[in-house]
Amino acid sequence: DVVMTQSPLSLPVTLGQPASISCKSSQSLVSSDGNTYLHWFQQRPGQSPRRLIYKVSNRDSGVPDRFSGSGSGTDFTLKISRVEAEDIGVYYCTQGTHWPPWTFGQGTKVEIK
Amino acid sequence: EVLLVESGGGLVQSGGSLRLSCAASGFTFSTYWMHWVRQAPGKGLVWVSHIKSDGSSSTYADSVKGRFTISRDNAKNTVYLQMNSLRVEDTAVYYCVRDNWGFDYWGQGTLVTVSS
Repeated sequence: DVVMTQSPLSLPVTLGQPASISCKSSQSLVSSDGNTYLHWFQQRPGQSPRRLIYKVSNRDSGVPDRFSGSGSGTDFTLKISRVEAEDIGVYYCTQGTHWPPWTFGQGTKVEIK
Repeated sequence: EVLLVESGGGLVQSGGSLRLSCAASGFTFSTYWMHWVRQAPGKGLVWVSHIKSDGSSSTYADSVKGRFTISRDNAKNTVYLQMNSLRVEDTAVYYCVRDNWGFDYWGQGTLVTVSS
C-alpha cells in the first residue's frame, strides 16, 4: 500500500500570512496514463471533507485562488498564500494512482496562532 | 446540484449488521464510480470500498474484506454498504463519495456506533 506522510501535523498560522503543507508518498504517484492522482481536501470543523485540488495542481470550482498545489513524483505541497479565518480545519492529501486501497495522509490541523 | 445523502447509520451491538444507503441526485449516477470512506471519532479519513459505474467490480479495504459488501442500483441512483459482523473498531462516520478524478463530492455522512 502507498503510505502518505503529511507534515506538519499541526500548523499554527497568523491570519494574512502564508502557510504550506507537505505530503510525501512512499512511491511515485505518476500513473501509467501519465497523470498524477494526488489530491487535497479541506475538512472544516463539523463538516464533510471538500476537495480543493485535484491531480496535483488543479483547483476545484469555487476554491479561492489563494490555494495552490504543486509537486511531482513523491513530493507534493499545498500552499495558502494568505490564510483567512475560514481556512481553519484539517487538510488531507490522498492518492488514487495505486489502488486499491486509496490512501490518505494523516491530516494537518491548521489553527490560528 | 450534486447531492449525496446517506442513511442507515445507528447503534448496533458487536457482531450485528447494518445496511447503509446513499441516494444520489444532480448527476448521471450510472456513469460514476462510487466509494465509501469512514472517519472514526477524532481520527482521519480511511477508504473503505469502491464500486465501478456498472456495478461489475468492487474493492475493499483489508479491514472490512469479507464482512462488508458494496452494491448499487443505478435505476434508483443509490449505492449501498452492507456491513456484517460489525466490530467496535468499525465505529465511525461513513461518507458516500463520488469519484471524478478522485473524491470530488461527499455526502454529509452517517454515524455508525458499534457497542461491545
